[in-house]
Amino acid sequence: DAKTTQPTSMDCAEGRAANLPCNHSTISGNEYVYWYRQIHSQGPQYIIHGLKNNETNEMASLIITEDRKSSTLILPHATLRDTAVYYCIAPLTPGNTPLVFGKGTRLSVIA
Amino acid sequence: EAGVTQFPSHSVIEKGQTVTLRCDPISGHDNLYWYRRVMGKEIKFLLHFVKESKQDESGMPNNRFLAERTGGTYSTLKVQPAELEDSGVYFCASSLTGGFGYTFGSGTRLTVV
Repeated sequence: DAKTTQPTSMDCAEGRAANLPCNHSTISGNEYVYWYRQIHSQGPQYIIHGLKNNETNEMASLIITEDRKSSTLILPHATLRDTAVYYCIAPLTPGNTPLVFGKGTRLSVIA
Repeated sequence: EAGVTQFPSHSVIEKGQTVTLRCDPISGHDNLYWYRRVMGKEIKFLLHFVKESKQDESGMPNNRFLAERTGGTYSTLKVQPAELEDSGVYFCASSLTGGFGYTFGSGTRLTVV
Protein backbone atom coordinates (compact mmCIF):
# COMPACT_ATOMS: atom_id res chain seq x y z
CA ASP A 1 0.00 0.00 0.00
CA ALA A 2 1.12 3.54 -0.67
CA LYS A 3 1.81 5.47 2.54
CA THR A 4 -0.79 8.14 3.22
CA THR A 5 -0.51 11.17 5.50
CA GLN A 6 -3.49 12.97 6.98
CA PRO A 7 -3.91 15.71 9.58
CA THR A 8 -4.72 14.38 13.01
CA SER A 9 -7.86 16.41 13.50
CA MET A 10 -10.06 19.07 11.95
CA ASP A 11 -13.11 21.06 12.92
CA CYS A 12 -15.92 22.12 10.63
CA ALA A 13 -19.01 24.24 11.24
CA GLU A 14 -22.30 22.49 10.63
CA GLY A 15 -23.64 23.22 7.16
CA ARG A 16 -20.26 24.20 5.78
CA ALA A 17 -18.10 22.13 3.47
CA ALA A 18 -15.54 19.88 5.13
CA ASN A 19 -12.34 19.49 3.12
CA LEU A 20 -10.13 16.65 4.30
CA PRO A 21 -6.66 16.44 2.72
CA CYS A 22 -4.52 13.38 2.19
CA ASN A 23 -0.97 13.10 0.90
CA HIS A 24 0.04 9.94 -0.95
CA SER A 25 3.22 10.96 -2.72
CA THR A 26 4.44 7.36 -3.20
CA ILE A 27 1.27 6.16 -4.88
CA SER A 28 1.81 4.05 -7.99
CA GLY A 29 -0.01 4.29 -11.26
CA ASN A 30 -2.60 1.61 -10.56
CA GLU A 31 -3.27 2.26 -6.88
CA TYR A 32 -6.68 3.67 -6.14
CA VAL A 33 -7.40 6.11 -3.33
CA TYR A 34 -10.14 5.01 -0.96
CA TRP A 35 -11.87 6.96 1.76
CA TYR A 36 -13.58 5.32 4.69
CA ARG A 37 -14.89 6.68 7.94
CA GLN A 38 -15.59 5.23 11.35
CA ILE A 39 -18.34 6.79 13.42
CA HIS A 40 -17.72 6.05 17.09
CA SER A 41 -17.16 2.27 17.34
CA GLN A 42 -19.23 1.26 14.33
CA GLY A 43 -17.73 -0.67 11.43
CA PRO A 44 -15.77 1.40 8.90
CA GLN A 45 -18.07 2.86 6.28
CA TYR A 46 -17.12 3.23 2.63
CA ILE A 47 -17.33 6.78 1.30
CA ILE A 48 -15.74 6.98 -2.13
CA HIS A 49 -12.77 5.88 -4.19
CA GLY A 50 -10.97 7.07 -7.32
CA LEU A 51 -7.94 6.57 -9.53
CA LYS A 52 -7.18 9.82 -11.29
CA ASN A 53 -10.42 11.50 -12.21
CA ASN A 54 -12.46 13.45 -9.71
CA GLU A 55 -15.38 11.47 -8.37
CA THR A 56 -18.69 12.39 -6.78
CA ASN A 57 -21.41 10.34 -5.16
CA GLU A 58 -24.28 11.00 -2.81
CA MET A 59 -21.97 11.23 0.18
CA ALA A 60 -18.95 13.18 -0.99
CA SER A 61 -16.62 14.36 -3.71
CA LEU A 62 -13.05 13.25 -4.22
CA ILE A 63 -10.58 15.59 -5.85
CA ILE A 64 -7.29 14.00 -6.93
CA THR A 65 -4.40 16.18 -8.07
CA GLU A 66 -3.10 15.68 -11.57
CA ASP A 67 0.16 14.17 -10.31
CA ARG A 68 -1.90 11.93 -7.96
CA LYS A 69 0.32 12.76 -5.02
CA SER A 70 -2.55 14.12 -2.96
CA SER A 71 -6.32 14.19 -2.77
CA THR A 72 -9.10 15.97 -0.92
CA LEU A 73 -12.34 14.51 0.34
CA ILE A 74 -15.15 17.05 0.33
CA LEU A 75 -18.32 16.71 2.38
CA PRO A 76 -20.34 19.53 0.82
CA HIS A 77 -22.68 20.28 3.74
CA ALA A 78 -21.34 18.74 6.91
CA THR A 79 -23.81 17.67 9.58
CA LEU A 80 -23.27 16.63 13.18
CA ARG A 81 -23.65 13.02 12.05
CA ASP A 82 -20.51 13.39 9.93
CA THR A 83 -18.39 13.62 13.06
CA ALA A 84 -16.07 10.63 12.67
CA VAL A 85 -12.54 9.49 11.95
CA TYR A 86 -11.83 9.62 8.22
CA TYR A 87 -9.28 7.32 6.63
CA CYS A 88 -7.50 7.76 3.32
CA ILE A 89 -6.13 4.43 2.07
CA ALA A 90 -4.38 3.30 -1.11
CA PRO A 91 -4.48 -0.52 -1.28
CA LEU A 92 -1.99 -2.22 -3.56
CA THR A 93 -4.62 -4.17 -5.48
CA PRO A 94 -8.21 -3.04 -4.86
CA GLY A 95 -10.51 -5.88 -3.93
CA ASN A 96 -7.68 -8.36 -3.53
CA THR A 97 -5.53 -6.93 -0.76
CA PRO A 98 -6.49 -5.76 2.70
CA LEU A 99 -7.06 -2.12 3.53
CA VAL A 100 -4.40 -0.88 5.91
CA PHE A 101 -5.71 1.81 8.25
CA GLY A 102 -3.54 4.59 9.62
CA LYS A 103 -4.51 7.08 12.27
CA GLY A 104 -6.91 9.00 10.03
CA THR A 105 -8.34 12.48 10.58
CA ARG A 106 -10.77 13.05 13.41
CA LEU A 107 -13.38 15.43 12.01
CA SER A 108 -15.52 17.26 14.53
CA VAL A 109 -18.58 18.99 13.11
CA ILE A 110 -19.61 21.80 15.40
CA ALA A 111 -23.12 23.26 15.70
CA GLU B 1 -28.07 -7.70 -0.76
CA ALA B 2 -27.32 -8.58 2.85
CA GLY B 3 -24.23 -6.96 4.28
CA VAL B 4 -21.43 -8.46 6.32
CA THR B 5 -22.84 -9.95 9.49
CA GLN B 6 -20.91 -10.50 12.68
CA PHE B 7 -21.96 -12.45 15.73
CA PRO B 8 -22.10 -11.85 18.61
CA SER B 9 -22.23 -8.08 18.77
CA HIS B 10 -20.88 -8.11 22.30
CA SER B 11 -19.08 -10.70 24.39
CA VAL B 12 -17.81 -10.49 27.94
CA ILE B 13 -15.63 -13.37 29.09
CA GLU B 14 -13.22 -14.06 31.87
CA LYS B 15 -9.50 -14.28 31.35
CA GLY B 16 -8.56 -17.80 30.38
CA GLN B 17 -11.85 -18.63 28.72
CA THR B 18 -12.41 -19.28 25.05
CA VAL B 19 -14.46 -17.13 22.70
CA THR B 20 -15.41 -17.70 19.08
CA LEU B 21 -16.41 -14.84 16.83
CA ARG B 22 -18.24 -15.42 13.58
CA CYS B 23 -18.36 -13.45 10.36
CA ASP B 24 -20.71 -14.02 7.44
CA PRO B 25 -19.41 -12.14 4.39
CA ILE B 26 -21.47 -10.87 1.50
CA SER B 27 -22.55 -13.88 -0.53
CA GLY B 28 -20.08 -14.60 -3.31
CA HIS B 29 -17.26 -12.51 -1.87
CA ASP B 30 -14.13 -14.62 -1.98
CA ASN B 31 -11.97 -12.29 0.11
CA LEU B 32 -12.56 -12.07 3.85
CA TYR B 33 -10.55 -9.96 6.27
CA TRP B 34 -10.36 -9.74 10.04
CA TYR B 35 -9.36 -6.55 11.85
CA ARG B 36 -9.14 -5.47 15.46
CA ARG B 37 -9.27 -2.13 17.18
CA VAL B 38 -8.15 -1.92 20.77
CA MET B 39 -9.03 1.21 22.72
CA GLY B 40 -7.01 4.23 21.71
CA LYS B 41 -5.21 2.43 18.91
CA GLU B 42 -5.57 2.18 15.15
CA ILE B 43 -7.64 -0.41 13.33
CA LYS B 44 -5.18 -3.23 12.84
CA PHE B 45 -5.30 -5.86 10.12
CA LEU B 46 -5.22 -9.43 11.40
CA LEU B 47 -5.68 -11.79 8.50
CA HIS B 48 -6.95 -12.28 4.95
CA PHE B 49 -8.70 -15.30 3.48
CA VAL B 50 -9.16 -15.96 -0.19
CA LYS B 51 -11.95 -18.51 -0.27
CA GLU B 52 -10.87 -21.05 2.34
CA SER B 53 -7.14 -20.34 2.15
CA LYS B 54 -5.20 -17.99 4.41
CA GLN B 55 -3.60 -15.50 2.07
CA ASP B 56 -1.98 -13.34 4.72
CA GLU B 57 -1.99 -13.89 8.47
CA SER B 58 0.85 -11.52 9.27
CA GLY B 59 -1.30 -9.47 11.63
CA MET B 60 -2.35 -12.28 13.94
CA PRO B 61 -1.01 -11.39 17.40
CA ASN B 62 -0.01 -14.86 18.59
CA ASN B 63 -1.00 -18.52 18.52
CA ARG B 64 -3.90 -17.98 20.87
CA PHE B 65 -5.80 -16.72 17.85
CA LEU B 66 -7.12 -19.22 15.31
CA ALA B 67 -9.12 -18.26 12.25
CA GLU B 68 -10.91 -20.65 9.95
CA ARG B 69 -13.03 -20.37 6.85
CA THR B 70 -14.16 -23.86 6.03
CA GLY B 71 -15.91 -24.08 2.68
CA GLY B 72 -14.96 -20.55 1.84
CA THR B 73 -18.15 -19.01 3.21
CA TYR B 74 -18.39 -17.82 6.80
CA SER B 75 -15.33 -17.46 9.02
CA THR B 76 -14.67 -17.92 12.71
CA LEU B 77 -12.00 -16.33 14.86
CA LYS B 78 -11.30 -18.19 18.09
CA VAL B 79 -9.33 -16.77 20.98
CA GLN B 80 -8.09 -19.44 23.39
CA PRO B 81 -7.25 -18.68 26.13
CA ALA B 82 -8.34 -15.07 26.19
CA GLU B 83 -6.15 -12.48 27.89
CA LEU B 84 -7.02 -9.00 29.11
CA GLU B 85 -5.17 -7.34 26.23
CA ASP B 86 -7.43 -9.11 23.72
CA SER B 87 -10.24 -6.74 24.61
CA GLY B 88 -11.33 -4.58 21.71
CA VAL B 89 -13.64 -4.47 18.74
CA TYR B 90 -13.12 -7.13 16.08
CA PHE B 91 -14.24 -6.24 12.57
CA CYS B 92 -14.71 -8.42 9.57
CA ALA B 93 -14.81 -7.24 5.96
CA SER B 94 -15.30 -8.88 2.61
CA SER B 95 -14.55 -8.03 -0.99
CA LEU B 96 -14.77 -9.59 -4.44
CA THR B 97 -11.59 -10.25 -6.39
CA GLY B 98 -11.53 -7.85 -9.31
CA GLY B 99 -14.04 -5.59 -7.64
CA PHE B 100 -13.47 -2.36 -5.78
CA GLY B 101 -15.69 -2.50 -2.74
CA TYR B 102 -14.80 -3.53 0.77
CA THR B 103 -17.77 -3.94 3.08
CA PHE B 104 -17.33 -4.06 6.83
CA GLY B 105 -19.48 -5.64 9.47
CA SER B 106 -20.62 -3.84 12.61
CA GLY B 107 -18.00 -5.59 14.70
CA THR B 108 -17.90 -7.70 17.83
CA ARG B 109 -16.97 -5.90 21.01
CA LEU B 110 -14.95 -8.31 23.12
CA THR B 111 -14.31 -7.55 26.77
CA VAL B 112 -12.00 -9.83 28.74
CA VAL B 113 -12.27 -9.37 32.51
